[in-house]
Amino acid sequence: NAGVMQNPRHLVRRRGQEARLRCSPMKGHSHVYWYRQLPEEGLKFMVYLQKENIIDESGMPKERFSAEFPKEGPSILRIQQVVRGDSAAYFCASSPETPLTKNIQYFGAGTRLSVL
Amino acid sequence: AQTVTQSQPEMSVQEAETVTLSCTYDTSESDYYLFWYKQPPSRQMILVIRQEAYKQQNATENRFSVNFQKAAKSFSLKISDSQLGDAAMYFCALYRQGAQKLVFGQGTRLTINP
Repeated sequence: NAGVMQNPRHLVRRRGQEARLRCSPMKGHSHVYWYRQLPEEGLKFMVYLQKENIIDESGMPKERFSAEFPKEGPSILRIQQVVRGDSAAYFCASSPETPLTKNIQYFGAGTRLSVL
Repeated sequence: AQTVTQSQPEMSVQEAETVTLSCTYDTSESDYYLFWYKQPPSRQMILVIRQEAYKQQNATENRFSVNFQKAAKSFSLKISDSQLGDAAMYFCALYRQGAQKLVFGQGTRLTINP
């Protein structure tokens, strides 16, 4: 059973460009979470999605950031017009549907975004 | 508001010795879970151990065990017989059943001395 797959592992963008980060959850998992990790800090929650629905986006910046989890295909975190402050590691996690294990989040290896 | 605090930015231990990493948290909820995650240099977040708040018994996974003090809101991780592969950042995290998201502490960098 493959783990949570994120790509690319490293993404370099110039200021003003768009960044698209992809996440394929573990097989059978229908809950996806995105977190951001700034250097030397813990992970900060951004958004929680289920298939075709955004459940909680309380951690997402109000502008330039969006996320989706379509019926088919991976979840996408999109950052428009990137700025240097967006440079960070972005982690995706997924969890199963069953109530007892829904709280267990399995993480991908992250995408490190570098904005030049 | 929920907070998770790890007061030790760095810890070191001799190989084969035992080390304890500290974590305190704050929540007004009664239904929650606590986790320790390990992040080695590869950056992969690896689940180490999970504790259900309603269980009094401390969770154990091989060389890893926790000391869960619910009244004190303390959740420390003990690593026995430390190995070189244990070197990593360790993050304590809180999950509230209603919020369905993890709140992480700042992390503790653990170094294992051979």
